[in-house]
Amino acid sequence: AQSVAQPEDQVNVAEGNPLTVKCTYSVSGNPYLFWYVQYPNRGLQFLLKYITGDNLVKGSYGFEAEFNKSQTSFHLKKPSALVSDSALYFCAVRDWKNYGQNFVFGPGTRLSVLP
Amino acid sequence: ETGVTQTPRHLVMGMTNKKSLKCEQHLGHNAMYWYKQSAKKPLELMFVYSLEERVENNSVPSRFSPECPNSSHLFLHLHTLQPEDSALYLCASSQDGVRQNEQFFGPGTRLTVL
Repeated sequence: AQSVAQPEDQVNVAEGNPLTVKCTYSVSGNPYLFWYVQYPNRGLQFLLKYITGDNLVKGSYGFEAEFNKSQTSFHLKKPSALVSDSALYFCAVRDWKNYGQNFVFGPGTRLSVLP
Repeated sequence: ETGVTQTPRHLVMGMTNKKSLKCEQHLGHNAMYWYKQSAKKPLELMFVYSLEERVENNSVPSRFSPECPNSSHLFLHLHTLQPEDSALYLCASSQDGVRQNEQFFGPGTRLTVL
């Protein structure tokens, strides 16, 4: 079975500081990894994904994520946090079953960027 | 906007009511999904439709009944719900058959069951 863990329920960071939101995964084959963000009263928005190639993936709003196969991690990063980055962040892994493609989502990490 | 719309955005219903949630995607995708998001719980995949056929039903109670009349529309029919069914219901779509493709989510329907 495929699974995703986000070890931190909450991450607090000061505006202007770098931020990291952690994600580890477990898959049987090659992982396809995704990050989504959810603002209050909104659906999830796609940020970035890793399929193959460079381990550092760049996405929307200045976010990037680093794929580390040996540590089975896909941490989300941003060099300089903004207050507007405060939201709920979800890591997800693609899980192929017989008929289609199901995403397995992590429990989410709430990011608070303090002014 | 993501190209996926959901109506209504908010719904309050009694346990004996019957209501339906609607989702429409304008992205030309061929797979659609219903998720349940409850406070302090992970996203729960409820149903998956691929090419208008249901391919996943994650042990969802029969009081939830999905319908996918075409590749652009998805409904979730609700009847005799319980208070614990109160949650944010999210619809998503993707282009099936290409495993790299991400899902696009609607804004959700906030459901409250009294």
